[in-house]
Amino acid sequence: AQKVTQAQTEISVVEKEDVTLDCVYETRDTTYYLFWYKQPPSGELVFLIRRNSFDEQNEISGRYSWNFQKSTSSFNFTITASQVVDSAVYFCALQGGSEKLVFGKGTKLTVNP
Amino acid sequence: NAGVTQTPKFQVLKTGQSMTLQCAQDMNHEYMSWYRQDPGMGLRLIHYSVGAGITDQGEVPNGYNVSRSTTEDFPLRLLSAAPSQTSVYFCASSYISQPRETQYFGPGTRLLVL
Repeated sequence: AQKVTQAQTEISVVEKEDVTLDCVYETRDTTYYLFWYKQPPSGELVFLIRRNSFDEQNEISGRYSWNFQKSTSSFNFTITASQVVDSAVYFCALQGGSEKLVFGKGTKLTVNP
Repeated sequence: NAGVTQTPKFQVLKTGQSMTLQCAQDMNHEYMSWYRQDPGMGLRLIHYSVGAGITDQGEVPNGYNVSRSTTEDFPLRLLSAAPSQTSVYFCASSYISQPRETQYFGPGTRLLVL
């Protein structure tokens, strides 16, 4: 069975603070893919990143960075110098041997001015 | 490309009524799926399809039917709506390939069952 755990239900920070969203996953597949999606208050789901299980390099995209560690089954997401526009619900998701995506329950991030 | 479209955006039903949520994509994606999103539960897979004529159940299929007669369309049917089906419904699609492709989501349909 596949499972994604986002232990942080809600996080509140002040603008310009760095914030890390945790994601821990479980799978028996040797090949799998990890994703992060953002859901702003408007409700749509926005794809942020996809990572395969063979690539443990950290990824940086502007203020966003991702830390993938197979040893701890984690795929954490860090926002540097957070902004009010980063306020959203963030979902981590896992895709293993099929096309089915398994989502975590999400972390609601509020960035206060 | 319009991407993944869903209609309606919002619907109110009475218990026992039936309706169909529409989902269409113009990217020639083989894989399409339906999720429901409930507060504190994340997104849960209802049904999915890997091509025209092929559908299968996801995590929470009870109360929902699907069919896939064309590559483009994947409607979700509620035969007898119940208040427990009040939720936000998302349709998603992707290519089927290795490496796995990113799934793209429609804007969602908000359903309220009274």
